[in-house]
Amino acid sequence: RKEVEQDPGPFNVPEGATVAFNCTYSNSASQSFFWYRQDCRKEPKLLMSVYSSGNEDGRFTAQLNRASQYISLLIRDSKLSDSATYLCVVNTDGNNRLAFGKGNQVVVIP
Amino acid sequence: EPEVTQTPSHQVTQMGQEVILRCVPISNHLYFYWYRQILGQKVEFLVSFYNNEISEKSEIFDDQFSVERPDGSNFTLKIRSTKLEDSAMYFCASNFGIQGDEQYFGPGTRLTVT
Repeated sequence: RKEVEQDPGPFNVPEGATVAFNCTYSNSASQSFFWYRQDCRKEPKLLMSVYSSGNEDGRFTAQLNRASQYISLLIRDSKLSDSATYLCVVNTDGNNRLAFGKGNQVVVIP
Repeated sequence: EPEVTQTPSHQVTQMGQEVILRCVPISNHLYFYWYRQILGQKVEFLVSFYNNEISEKSEIFDDQFSVERPDGSNFTLKIRSTKLEDSAMYFCASNFGIQGDEQYFGPGTRLTVT
């Protein structure tokens, strides 16, 4: 079983719409969870950390479900500039190694 | 805002040659990392480095790979004898090493092995 699994998409989203996607992780001992954004041929950049209680940053909302071992990201009021690949990233306890999913590719359409 | 830098941005080399990829982590960070991303695939962890030694490495990081902090600012990844399958984007990252701390990624070096 892969450490972090994501449905790669693409997710074609009309501008202004809401899009949501999940990822699942295999290691129940995982401690830290993140969503990174990656633009084409660029480095990953942190979008937001994901906390147990769920958290929101502007139009972005992240949720963590430890019992089912999945993380979600919701983007409201999509902008053209949101077009990117969103990487689900997990950090297991005791080390600093990040495990990446393959990413959810989002294309916002005018 | 401080950032991780990497050189070169693109390296082309022939199979069997040695390459050294260079990174300058953010200056007060303590942990340094190398990741790679083969085109169309996920980002994969290679190695982490702390206090002048490797703290963790993946199964990808075999004897062909080595890392070094030759001075107070640079962090290098050496591939001794490149293979075609080493062609990838190599990202350097750094952070303070606290659980849950963001890792800051450099812009990457695209390595092409011909």
